[in-house]
Amino acid sequence: GENVEQHPSTLSVQEGDSAVIKCTYSDSASNYFPWYKQELGKRPQLIIDIRSNVGEKKDQRIAVTLNKTAKHFSLHITETQPEDSAVYFCAASTVGGGADGLTFGKGTHLIIQP
Amino acid sequence: KAGVTQTPRYLIKTRGQQVTLSCSPISGHRSVSWYQQTPGQGLQFLFEYFSETQRNKGNFPGRFSGRQFSNSRSEMNVSTLELGDSALYLCASSAGTLTGNTIYFGEGSWLTVV
Repeated sequence: GENVEQHPSTLSVQEGDSAVIKCTYSDSASNYFPWYKQELGKRPQLIIDIRSNVGEKKDQRIAVTLNKTAKHFSLHITETQPEDSAVYFCAASTVGGGADGLTFGKGTHLIIQP
Repeated sequence: KAGVTQTPRYLIKTRGQQVTLSCSPISGHRSVSWYQQTPGQGLQFLFEYFSETQRNKGNFPGRFSGRQFSNSRSEMNVSTLELGDSALYLCASSAGTLTGNTIYFGEGSWLTVV
C-alpha cells in the first residue's frame, strides 16, 4: 500500500516568514494530494489540494508543488500569521481506484513565533 | 448546509466492551469514510462506504466494522475494546468515492477505553 512520509514533525518560524512542509509518497499510481490543517481540538480542514496533471497550485498565501518523478510534494505558506499555527497533514490517494483510501503523513506542528 | 455530524462526541468504555459511533454526512454526499487518529500513529484510514457498500478497507483487525444505511448515514462498531483503541474517530463525507473528491471531516468522537 501507499506510504507517506512528512517532514519536519515540528516547524517554528517567525511571524511574516515563510514555512515549507515536505512529503514523499511511495505509490507511483497516486494522483491526488490534499493538505489538511488541524487546529487544537478541531477537525482537519482541507486547505489546498493538487492533482497529478498539475505541477503547482496557489491560493493566496498557500501554494503546493508536486514533483511526480521524484514522488514528492510540498506545502508553502508565505507571510505566516499567528492563525497559521496548527498541525498540517499531507495525504495521497489514487483517483479511480485503490483500496487504501487517503494515506496521511504523520503531521507537522507549525508554530508561528510572534 | 449542515456539516458532517458525529455522535457521541465523547465516551468512556471499559476494556472488553463494544462501542457504536454514528455519522451523518453532508446532505447529498454518498461516500462516508472513517479514520482513527492517535498521537503515535496519526490519521489512519479504517474504511469507506459508498451507497451502502464497503468500497475500501484499511489495515485494521476485524473487531472494527461499519455499515452505511440507505440515507447515507453510517455507523462504525468496535467490539472487544482494547486500551489501544483509545483515539479520536473521525468520519468524513464526500460527494463521490474517496478517490479524488474533497472529503469533509466531522468533529470526531473521542473514545477513551479504561
